[in-house]
Amino acid sequence: GESVGLHLPTLSVQEGDNSIINCAYSNSASDYFIWYKQESGKGPQFIIDIRSNMDKRQGQRVTVLLNKTVKHLSLQIAATQPGDSAVYFCAENGVSGNTPLVFGKGTRLSVIA
Amino acid sequence: SQTIHQWPATLVQPVGSPLSLECTVEGTSNPNLYWYRQAAGRGLQLLFYSVGIGQISSEVPQNLSASRPQDRQFILSSKKLLLSDSGFYLCAWKLGGRAPLHFGNGTRLTVT
Repeated sequence: GESVGLHLPTLSVQEGDNSIINCAYSNSASDYFIWYKQESGKGPQFIIDIRSNMDKRQGQRVTVLLNKTVKHLSLQIAATQPGDSAVYFCAENGVSGNTPLVFGKGTRLSVIA
Repeated sequence: SQTIHQWPATLVQPVGSPLSLECTVEGTSNPNLYWYRQAAGRGLQLLFYSVGIGQISSEVPQNLSASRPQDRQFILSSKKLLLSDSGFYLCAWKLGGRAPLHFGNGTRLTVT
């Protein structure tokens, strides 16, 4: 079946540097994408979403980029802080609004102080 | 604003005992409701979802069942727990259409 996958399972970044977490998706019909952050022992927390009619969307210190040509999604975190250490999941919703999201396997981001 | 409540936060149960995890959502109507399970250090496995009262879709055949007795209440149950049922159980809700999922804080279940 089609699924969302991640390029890197772990990522270590120096505090203050920018982080880039990547995600590949295989369903060309997907038109809505979401990034989640999950801290240890907690539920995933919504960070930012993007629809397929956009290439870029910015939030507070985060930017999501969508490249539909190569079916690639990325999350950029500016000036990474220790509190950004967590597992990050991408998710897609493509078939209909009620179809469950398809989650990637997750990338663990470790911030080095 | 909408909130989701999930309890208990942790649970230790013996093999063969029953299970009932409850999830309620406040501040919205007719949400889509979901149960996920997450093994340690792993991704999210969808177990059940519901788009309306009494409507349950099962994604993975297993030792668990789900029910939605009220619009904003979603219950995960088992008649007899197995060791393999241990994990982190997450309830989530979303509105229909292109909308993000909102997760509860999860229940850590340990079957001994």
